Amino acid sequence: QQQVKQSPQSLIVQKGGISIINCAYENTAFDYFPWYQQFPGKGPELLIAIRPDVSEKKEGRFTISFNKSAKQFSLHIMDSQPGDSATYFCAPGIRAGGTSYGKLTFGQGTILTVHP
Amino acid sequence: NAGVMQNPRHLVRRRGQEARLRCSPMKGHSHVYWYRQLPEEGLKFMVYLQKENIIDESGMPKERFSAEFPKEGPSILRIQQVVRGDSAAYFCASSPTTRSQETQYFGPGTRLLVL
Repeated sequence: QQQVKQSPQSLIVQKGGISIINCAYENTAFDYFPWYQQFPGKGPELLIAIRPDVSEKKEGRFTISFNKSAKQFSLHIMDSQPGDSATYFCAPGIRAGGTSYGKLTFGQGTILTVHP
Repeated sequence: NAGVMQNPRHLVRRRGQEARLRCSPMKGHSHVYWYRQLPEEGLKFMVYLQKENIIDESGMPKERFSAEFPKEGPSILRIQQVVRGDSAAYFCASSPTTRSQETQYFGPGTRLLVL
């Protein structure tokens, strides 16, 4: 049972371009929507996160767009740099209540390559 | 930099042996989560613990796997009688004892290889 689907699986972007990664979910109980960045051999690192009461959040070059009715949220990386080359995961979760409290459900990951 | 610490970073075991993975959460964090990552896949939730309590173990295999988070010391993920399918990266995450418990900070992981 696939609750979270990420697309694309891989993405190649030129330096300075815009990288867009999408995440679709099924569980309407999710109320916390983070994106994690993972470099080879390292643990995931929280990049940016959004709550469902807002439709967009921007932090530097990173923006999350959230569409509650479509049950989708996306990560936009502006002015992509070679140092952004990594695997990106969406990992929605539930903040409180129920048996899923605290658990993050990770997507399959998107491998981003930014060419210089 | 007192981040989440995991050890060992790499662990090699033969089939049938036991594997013990340790996780020290960030200072002030009393919530610990364990995830498993198979090659080319995302992380899969295994278990969520608070000090001396298992809160959610819905992702733990029913047999051979156990986890604890004692009052003193690190959290331990224990795998008995390992099989080749247990080969994976195991990540621990911790979160603070505040209402923002969904903000999970991950350790560097333990790469388990079962021969």
